[in-house]
Amino acid sequence: ETGVTQTPRHLVMGMTNKKSLKCEQHLGHNAMYWYKQSAKKPLELMFVYSLEERVENNSVPSRFSPECPNSSHLFLHLHTLQPEDSALYLCASSQDVSGVSEQYFGPGTRLTVT
Amino acid sequence: GQNIDQPTEMTATEGAIVQINCTYQTSGFNGLFWYQQHAGEAPTFLSYNVLDGLEEKGRFSSFLSRSKGYSYLLLKELQMKDSASYLCAVLDSNYQLIWGAGTKLIIKP
Repeated sequence: ETGVTQTPRHLVMGMTNKKSLKCEQHLGHNAMYWYKQSAKKPLELMFVYSLEERVENNSVPSRFSPECPNSSHLFLHLHTLQPEDSALYLCASSQDVSGVSEQYFGPGTRLTVT
Repeated sequence: GQNIDQPTEMTATEGAIVQINCTYQTSGFNGLFWYQQHAGEAPTFLSYNVLDGLEEKGRFSSFLSRSKGYSYLLLKELQMKDSASYLCAVLDSNYQLIWGAGTKLIIKP
């Protein structure tokens, strides 16, 4: 257990569906992240939040919409996804966004878009 | 562009030693991380190097040469549970983490 939980662990959705991924960290950290992990590719940083403020958005399509209601919770809202969006979505947290703090990852949500 | 290179897959024998290399070309350098990721699980932090040299942590050691843009992770006395992917990541001049694609390590009895 890393102190970061994600639900659901697996999700299958059609291209017209709307769903949300949830992440919760129990570590008292101030920074939270969403990553996309595809097979044999580097982790892709999608969004970064520091104290509930979005500090980075790496040119992610608008069909992905993040929400950070407080420093312990992070959501990723999904709508009208494409099959190429199928991947493992990882949430992580760290003490701060300085980059030198190690990141604690959740187990991920395995997303399949049909 | 920024680039992290590491072998896609390596195989080693239980009880042996294995070295996983990582080379990088990034805009600046503020440290290098190694993470371990077992199949279907979260990546977990192994090490962080910002100065040249070898840092040892039990059976695992991490080495850094900034002048060569090179790091390696050394795993000794390999155990079956060490079968996992090992991710190298570099913190660039903007404190952005640049990730490698990971090295899948297979341990055989």
